Amino acid sequence: TQLLEQSPQFLSIQEGENLTVYCNSSSVFSSLQWYRQEPGEGPVLLVTVVTGGEVKKLKRLTFQFGDARKDSSLHITAAQPGDTGLYLCAGAPGNSGAGSYQLTFGKGTKLSVIP
Amino acid sequence: DTGVSQNPRHKITKRGQNVTFRCDPISEHNRLYWYRQTLGQGPEFLTYFQNEAQLEKSRLLSDRFSAERPKGSFSTLEIQRTEQGDSAMYLCASSAISLPQPQHFGDGTRLSIL
Repeated sequence: TQLLEQSPQFLSIQEGENLTVYCNSSSVFSSLQWYRQEPGEGPVLLVTVVTGGEVKKLKRLTFQFGDARKDSSLHITAAQPGDTGLYLCAGAPGNSGAGSYQLTFGKGTKLSVIP
Repeated sequence: DTGVSQNPRHKITKRGQNVTFRCDPISEHNRLYWYRQTLGQGPEFLTYFQNEAQLEKSRLLSDRFSAERPKGSFSTLEIQRTEQGDSAMYLCASSAISLPQPQHFGDGTRLSIL
């Protein structure tokens, strides 16, 4: 069974601060996806990373996939109240061959950005 | 841009009743997935289809649960003889087959068992 651990579980920061969320596993993933989820809604895809060591930027969000494809991080610069939400990482099996199917999710990081 | 559509959005029912949820995936996506999410947890995989074939089922999918995807388009998830523990958000996602195949989610059906 592949497990993903996210930390921290909760994070409350002031507007303008920087933060990093971590996603760790002992298993190798063929790809890893980050989602943001609002209460009562489904997860919305932010990014997919597939290559070990890959770094992707989405405006103020920077995503990194570990060299061994076992871990990932999400860094937010100058957080804004609109960044508030539940951030979920999800890994696709390392032996999928044909690509992602069964995603393994972490429990999420609940971020609150205070104006 | 039409995303994944799920209905109903909310379902309240009494214990022991049967319920059915529907998912309409993104039209060009061949793969369709069902997940369940309970409070404070990330989504947990239930099952997935490639076109009309159901290719994998989780151990979470007891014999009271059945999913279908006739003609490889929309899918239904039925729960028979519902139990209190079935209360959760049921999420549907779809993806293309071509790599890297990110999964796109609908807004889910929240099931509450009285």
